[in-house]
Amino acid sequence: EDQVTQSPEALRLQEGESSSLNCSYTVSGLRGLFWYRQDPGKGPEFLFTLYSAGEEKEKERLKATLTKKESFLHITAPKPEDSATYLCAVQEESSASKIIFGSGTRLSIRP
Amino acid sequence: ETGVTQSPTHLIKTRGQQVTLRCSSQSGHNTVSWYQQALGQGPQFIFQYYREEENGRGNFPPRFSGLQFPNYSSELNVNALELDDSALYLCASSLVPRVGEDTQYFGPGTRLTVL
Repeated sequence: EDQVTQSPEALRLQEGESSSLNCSYTVSGLRGLFWYRQDPGKGPEFLFTLYSAGEEKEKERLKATLTKKESFLHITAPKPEDSATYLCAVQEESSASKIIFGSGTRLSIRP
Repeated sequence: ETGVTQSPTHLIKTRGQQVTLRCSSQSGHNTVSWYQQALGQGPQFIFQYYREEENGRGNFPPRFSGLQFPNYSSELNVNALELDDSALYLCASSLVPRVGEDTQYFGPGTRLTVL
């Protein structure tokens, strides 16, 4: 069965303390891997799409990387406004419409 | 802030009742996907509508049904509500149906509570 597992479930960092969030997945063939940010009471906000192993994408303090079995979201020198739940999702090659989300990592940045 | 809107914001129903949730997609977007997000979990794909036709469905029973209208707005209907249907219901719109070929924009969601 296709699965997406995110770790850790929750992460508390001090402002400026860099870290990484992990997303491991098992699908028979990967069409794409997506990262979203979700603030409390809001819908997910799109961050990145990665398509193939070795690909990297950056946006401000965030960088997403992809291997054959996992993806990392690296957060460099985070600020309190980066506090949110970060969701990873994958789309299988055989599916045009369905994507499978992980449970997310709740990130909290202390000033 | 995306242009995707959902109504109502909150809803309380009792077990066995029926509910209709509504979504207006971002201007120009012809594809709408619906998701169920339980507390502390990631969203689960319910189904997608493209040009008024269902274009893919997740592992949800037939009592979850939908519609898309000519203006590409959409409805999610749930019959015979169960306690486990309590969740945040999200819709997402995109320009094309193939997720990943275009960004999905999510609405703020409808919080459904079933008592």
